[in-house]
Amino acid sequence: ETGVTQTPRHLVMGMTNKKSLKCEQHLGHNAMYWYKQSAKKPLELMFVYSLEERVENNSVPSRFSPECPNSSHLFLHLHTLQPEDSALYLCASSQDLLGQGAFEQYFGPGTRLTVT
Amino acid sequence: GDSVTQMEGPVTLSEEAFLTINCTYTATGYPSLFWYVQYPGEGLQLLLKATKADDKGSNKGFEATYRKETTSFHLEKGSVQVSDSAVYFCALSVTQSGGSYIPTFGRGTSLIVHP
Repeated sequence: ETGVTQTPRHLVMGMTNKKSLKCEQHLGHNAMYWYKQSAKKPLELMFVYSLEERVENNSVPSRFSPECPNSSHLFLHLHTLQPEDSALYLCASSQDLLGQGAFEQYFGPGTRLTVT
Repeated sequence: GDSVTQMEGPVTLSEEAFLTINCTYTATGYPSLFWYVQYPGEGLQLLLKATKADDKGSNKGFEATYRKETTSFHLEKGSVQVSDSAVYFCALSVTQSGGSYIPTFGRGTSLIVHP
């Protein structure tokens, strides 16, 4: 496997279900991100982990719970979601080197989530 | 806060036409600038970048120049192909206190190229 992988690629869940999205990066990066992409809306940054510590949480509802057990893996745990949470969830990684400039992000293909 | 403004789409062109997608930004500090492309059914991928004023990023025939005086980073291509049909995102990233880089994306511009 190379780059950033995400599983599953598609997920349909009921409002009372609990599920998890998984992201894995094979690039040796030290920062990982979750984004939500909805039709006709800007890309929404949900969570950022740098060196396995959360550095950004853009007021995301508590029904979304991230977990970053190591620098290569990122999870998004989902429970009691709403239909408006249906979207494409993208994971990304980057290499952040303090004081040496901002580096580009590498994205996975996304998980298409449908909440029924 | 930081922001990126892109022209609204869709932009519809015939093959071999000239492409410009405008992007302007506001940022505290000295940002790095990026263009990403998203093909149908895929995630975003980096198209090009520039990290300081007057730098020109280029890739696959696309170009963009970092213009600090006009806070712009317009994307151009001299002759588009049907395969360039995609959504294009302008983005910036600025060092935060503590050294992390939080990116800001534009809303994306859809490009449709007809044969």
